[in-house]
Amino acid sequence: GAVVSQHPSRVICKSGTSVKIECRSLDFQATTMFWYRQFPKQSLMLMATSNEGSKATYEQGVEKDKFLINHASLTLSTLTVTSAHPEDSSFYICSARGKGASNQPQHFGDGTRLSIL
Amino acid sequence: KNEVEQSPQNLTAQEGEFITINCSYSVGISALHWLQQHPGGGIVSLFMLSSGKKKHGRLIATINIQEKHSSLHITASHPRDSAVYICAVTGGTSYGKLTFGQGTILTVHP
Repeated sequence: GAVVSQHPSRVICKSGTSVKIECRSLDFQATTMFWYRQFPKQSLMLMATSNEGSKATYEQGVEKDKFLINHASLTLSTLTVTSAHPEDSSFYICSARGKGASNQPQHFGDGTRLSIL
Repeated sequence: KNEVEQSPQNLTAQEGEFITINCSYSVGISALHWLQQHPGGGIVSLFMLSSGKKKHGRLIATINIQEKHSSLHITASHPRDSAVYICAVTGGTSYGKLTFGQGTILTVHP
């Protein structure tokens, strides 16, 4: 089946550091990628939707200058958490969808656990 | 009220038992998804369906469009089935995006 690779799987860093998370589709062209955030024991929360070659669409309440999303190619999207603070500590996970109808399956990465000290 | 409601929230079973997780939704949808989230956090898409029934191994998913209800069944459950099972829909008020249920935490004891 379709594979989405997310890297790194875990990050521990100091407050004020910027952290970049990569999401790659390995065997299909991902025209749309989604970035989610998940707090412990809670459901996934969509942060933004990115379409290849265009600006990401952010959900209400998500700071676009804080969470920079780039989707420069059909196989790679990146999420950069700028000047991270302890409250940004969370589980971040991406998913990717191929070309065609928007109700195609989404294929998820394994997630990145971010801990800001 | 959430657009997607799952029940039960927590489910404990003995190995070999037949398991059912339910999902009800209140919006029009183009598809319903069943996802499995492992303890490490990774998510696997189990099924995407818009009508009828799908089967994969010991897993069966059904959907009743008229009643806006779906069920995920696991036959002959095994400890390795322990995970969070999430129902999600596309369409309705957020076309193209997934709207998630709260998830069902399944623990299967040997």
